[in-house]
Amino acid sequence: DARVTQTPRHKVTEMGQEVTMRCQPILGHNTVFWYRQTMMQGLELLAYFRNRAPLDDSGMPKDRFSAEMPDATLATLKIQPSEPRDSAVYFCASGLVNDGDTYTDTQYFGPGTRLTVL
Amino acid sequence: GQQLNQSPQSMFIQEGEDVSMNCTSSSIFNTWLWYKQDPGEGPVLLIALYKAGELTSNGRLTAQFGITRKDSFLNISASIPSDVGIYFCAGRPDAGGTSYGKLTFGQGTILTVHP
Repeated sequence: DARVTQTPRHKVTEMGQEVTMRCQPILGHNTVFWYRQTMMQGLELLAYFRNRAPLDDSGMPKDRFSAEMPDATLATLKIQPSEPRDSAVYFCASGLVNDGDTYTDTQYFGPGTRLTVL
Repeated sequence: GQQLNQSPQSMFIQEGEDVSMNCTSSSIFNTWLWYKQDPGEGPVLLIALYKAGELTSNGRLTAQFGITRKDSFLNISASIPSDVGIYFCAGRPDAGGTSYGKLTFGQGTILTVHP
């Protein structure tokens, strides 16, 4: 049963510290998404990658957030320095997307990383 | 950006009752998806719809892609306690290019089922 995995599941840190969240997409998927979920804003798209190249990171605060895909099996989201307002659940999702093929729009989510910044 | 209006925001029902929720948009969507999120977990795909007018079932769940391509609904029949959770609609706007796979999510419907 192929699944998206995320580590860590929980992270508590102090303001100003660096936080790195990792995601392993489903093997063979070519598109990876990073979302942030809060009660106030719901699910917000932060960034997404196709074949490891960033397609859109307009939802991500550029001054402190960065997202990368070092290889096809690993995506990372880094916050430096972290702030209390970054406290949220961060989800990674993956999909096998072909432009022009509507049937490939489906995304599969990981279990999330719950981040608390004190 | 694109907005999806999902309603109701929350529902409190008795076990055995049927449930209906919907999503609307002011613009055309090419794909509609329904997800369920359990506490402490990520959203799980329930039903995917790819054609206007399409009606698809998954067990006690039924979803439809509106004929105008601007709405979708999800019905749950004979609810049970494990149906509790947050239900999200999601859709892909008609934007073409590399927008395939990029979804817009509704705000969610919180479902509570009383035994």
